[in-house]
Amino acid sequence: EPEVTQTPSHQVTQMGQEVILRCVPISNHLYFYWYRQILGQKVEFLVSFYNNEISEKSEIFDDQFSVERPDGSNFTLKIRSTKLEDSAMYFCASRLILKRGGEQFFGPGTRLTVL
Amino acid sequence: SQQGEEDPQALSIQEGENATMNCSYKTSINNLQWYRQNSGRGLVHLILIRSNEREKHSGRLRVTLDTSKKSSSLLITASRAADTASYFCATDEVRRDDKIIFGKGTRLHILP
Repeated sequence: EPEVTQTPSHQVTQMGQEVILRCVPISNHLYFYWYRQILGQKVEFLVSFYNNEISEKSEIFDDQFSVERPDGSNFTLKIRSTKLEDSAMYFCASRLILKRGGEQFFGPGTRLTVL
Repeated sequence: SQQGEEDPQALSIQEGENATMNCSYKTSINNLQWYRQNSGRGLVHLILIRSNEREKHSGRLRVTLDTSKKSSSLLITASRAADTASYFCATDEVRRDDKIIFGKGTRLHILP
């Protein structure tokens, strides 16, 4: 069964460093998302991406964040200068169609630890 | 105010008993989904119920949706130790944007 994959599973970085989290959505999906979950808290929406552009972003998704679909398969989240509070689990998701009842499929997540 | 609020926040039951978790939301939705998450792990999709459906079953899971009350319930029958996890509802709102909004979750603990 097709699934969303994410790499790495765990990333440790120093504060101020840039990180790139990678996702491979399900191959025929058209809509892509990043969510994050700070330890012990709920999952929060970061950004949605369609047709090579951001369709919506949350207040969390400030200028330090960017997303890219560099080729036909990868979808990346870049954090330019990481802060301690960026430590969280980051989930990628994809959806085939944007219509009533379209399910989002989530990857296993990347745990980001900022020291 | 929060979309997708689960209650209770935590639930401990004996193995074999049924577990019921509830979710309330505030806006009109396309669908509502339930996810499970083991501690520190990824999100496992359990079931999706569309706004025009009232009840759905999947194995030991039963989900109901009451759009007039803007609420949903997840029932796990004959609970097992492996059901110990956090359970989240997530709503897909009827709006131009297409993010899903998660609740804070219910931590379910199955006692042996």
